[in-house]
Amino acid sequence: DIQMTQSPSSMSASLGDRVTITCQASQDIGNNLIWFQQKPGKSPRPMIYYATNLANGVPSRFSGSRSGSDYSLTISSLESEDMADYHCLQYKQYPFTFGSGTKLEIK
Amino acid sequence: EVQLQQSGAELVRPGTSVKLSCKVSGDTITAYYMHFVKQRPGQGLEWIGRIDPEDDSTKYAEKFKNKATLTADTSSNTAYLKLSSLTSEDTATYFCTTGGLRFDYWGQGVMVTVSS
Repeated sequence: DIQMTQSPSSMSASLGDRVTITCQASQDIGNNLIWFQQKPGKSPRPMIYYATNLANGVPSRFSGSRSGSDYSLTISSLESEDMADYHCLQYKQYPFTFGSGTKLEIK
Repeated sequence: EVQLQQSGAELVRPGTSVKLSCKVSGDTITAYYMHFVKQRPGQGLEWIGRIDPEDDSTKYAEKFKNKATLTADTSSNTAYLKLSSLTSEDTATYFCTTGGLRFDYWGQGVMVTVSS
């Protein structure tokens, strides 16, 4: 199975900060990665698909990038509504696998 | 607009089974694969498996192969997840999701509590 190592597991940042969350894939997954945002008690919401593409309705302060086997979700200027859990998912190969998640809190 | 409506919360006894439903509206269930995801309280997401409602073919994560069974009924536009031999480890929220590889559509989740 492909392992997705996500970091950090939690972080605290101030409004306006630039925030980056990373997933590292144990095998080549190409760009077959999605980033989800999940707020308490809610279903996950796709934010970035195919590693770098902004999903419908997602604010432009969110972006996705790839460097080799490292995939990053960046929020350019943190807003209060961005407080949530973030998850990556690889869909290159079955079984699909999620990262362990990142809890993002506002200082 | 595609919507996924999942069945209600379940309180079940250890050792029993439970069958959860996920009804699709706004499109035919055969349009996309249907995936199911598990989330234990305070934990991350786990991919359980997916079904192709067109031909009932399935894929499962290894740890769910003897735990979960995915089925689909095209006549009612509904997918099902059956969980068997329930233990406390199965206490979780279960989501269905579809929409191709963008995973655009999600059910609201259903909480399953396994307790005697």
